[in-house]
Amino acid sequence: GENVEQHPSTLSVQEGDSAVIKCTYSDSASNYFPWYKQELGKRPQLIIDIRSNVGEKKDQRIAVTLNKTAKHFSLHITETQPEDSAVYFCAASTRGSARQLTFGSGTQLTVLP
Amino acid sequence: EAGVAQSPRYKIIEKRQSVAFWCNPISGHATLYWYQQILGQGPKLLIQFQNNGVVDDSQLPKDRFSAERLKGVDSTLKIQPAKLEDSAVYLCASSFPVTGSSDTQYFGPGTRLTVL
Repeated sequence: GENVEQHPSTLSVQEGDSAVIKCTYSDSASNYFPWYKQELGKRPQLIIDIRSNVGEKKDQRIAVTLNKTAKHFSLHITETQPEDSAVYFCAASTRGSARQLTFGSGTQLTVLP
Repeated sequence: EAGVAQSPRYKIIEKRQSVAFWCNPISGHATLYWYQQILGQGPKLLIQFQNNGVVDDSQLPKDRFSAERLKGVDSTLKIQPAKLEDSAVYLCASSFPVTGSSDTQYFGPGTRLTVL
């Protein structure tokens, strides 16, 4: 089955700096890669996703890049703000009748004011 | 639209007791998932339903866990008997995968289970 590894496990940045979180996946058939943000005690919420037919997607301060050959994808947050502090999870999924997500272990991002 | 609802939000039980969690997905969502999230880890899929049928329950510990979605809407997840290692947050998610449209999974707030 799919295995997703995520690094780093913790990341601290100064407000206004950029943050990068990286994930690798094992199943070359995976073609959908969402990123979820989870604040303490709250539900995971989708912040951005990318499909295997594109290499990069951007939404305001958040971008995701995908390298299918190397089987890795990354989340980039620019101009970080204190409210970006949370745990971020990457996930990978293969196409099927209904998607099944395999999650990474999470990155605790702390934005220092 | 209303989100995924779960209850209870918190539950504390002793080992060997039983417990049940309830989930009501977003209206119209055909697919429902139960995940187990142990502290410090990512969610792990336990079972996936499509309408009232099981799509995948390969990671469900069937000797103690059971789940049903009898009418294809809300669902219950049961643990009997509970073990200490079952302490986790149990997340329910739903999606409406239709060709050419978004198949985003929307999560509920979760039930935090503590087994003493």
